[in-house]
Amino acid sequence: DGGITQSPKYLFRKEGQNVTLSCEQNLNHDAMYWYRQDPGQGLRLIYYSQIVNDFQKGDIAEGYSVSREKKESFPLTVTSAQKNPTAFYLCASVDGQRFEQYFGPGTRLTVT
Amino acid sequence: QKEVEQDPGPLSVPEGAIVSLNCTYSNSAFQYFMWYRQYSRKGPELLMYTYSSGNKEDGRFTAQVDKSSKYISLFIRDSQPSDSATYLCAMNRLAGRRALTFGSGTRLQVQP
Repeated sequence: DGGITQSPKYLFRKEGQNVTLSCEQNLNHDAMYWYRQDPGQGLRLIYYSQIVNDFQKGDIAEGYSVSREKKESFPLTVTSAQKNPTAFYLCASVDGQRFEQYFGPGTRLTVT
Repeated sequence: QKEVEQDPGPLSVPEGAIVSLNCTYSNSAFQYFMWYRQYSRKGPELLMYTYSSGNKEDGRFTAQVDKSSKYISLFIRDSQPSDSATYLCAMNRLAGRRALTFGSGTRLQVQP
C-alpha cells in the first residue's frame, strides 16, 4: 500500500523548543517538498529536495531546517527561530519527470 | 499581487447543481495545472491535472484551461454533499524547482 505518511498528526510544543516533523514515502519518488498552510491561505513552499543529500530553500525557509539522507525520508525541523510556527504542515512527493504532486495527511503544529 | 488568484468563497449550492470553480494567474511561465480537493484537517487530494489548453474530463469533473486568458476552471456536475471541501488550484513551470504555486482555495458547501 504505497503512500506518504506524516507523523505525528498533532503536535504541541512550548515556545523556544525545536521540533521535528516526520515525512516518509514508499512511492520511490525522487523529489520531496514541505509546504506550510495557514487558515484561508494557499500552501507555501518551505524546502524541497530533488535528490538524496541535496535540498533547496523555498519561499519561506527562515526558521526551518531539513535533511535528506534517504530517498524515503525528508524530516522537517521547526526551530525556535521561526517566529510564527503554529500551522498545518504538509509533505509532498513527485515521481521522476512528472509534475503532479501527492500529499501526506499533514501535521498540525501548535506552539504556545 | 499574488501570482495565482482564487475566490475564497464560501460557495453554497444545492445538491445536484453544477459548480464552477475558477483561478486566474499572471505568470505565463506556468504550463502545468492541477486541482486538489482538501477536506477539513486533511492533506490535499489530487483531482485533475492537465498541460494543454482545452478541456479534460474525469467522471463528474471537468478541468478547463485557457492559457491565452490565463484562466483555469473546474466544473463539478451533479454535485453531492460529499463534494463539500476546499478546492485548491495549483500550477507550476516546466523547468526549475517544479514546486507548486497554489491559489488560496475555494470552500464549497453542497446542501442536501
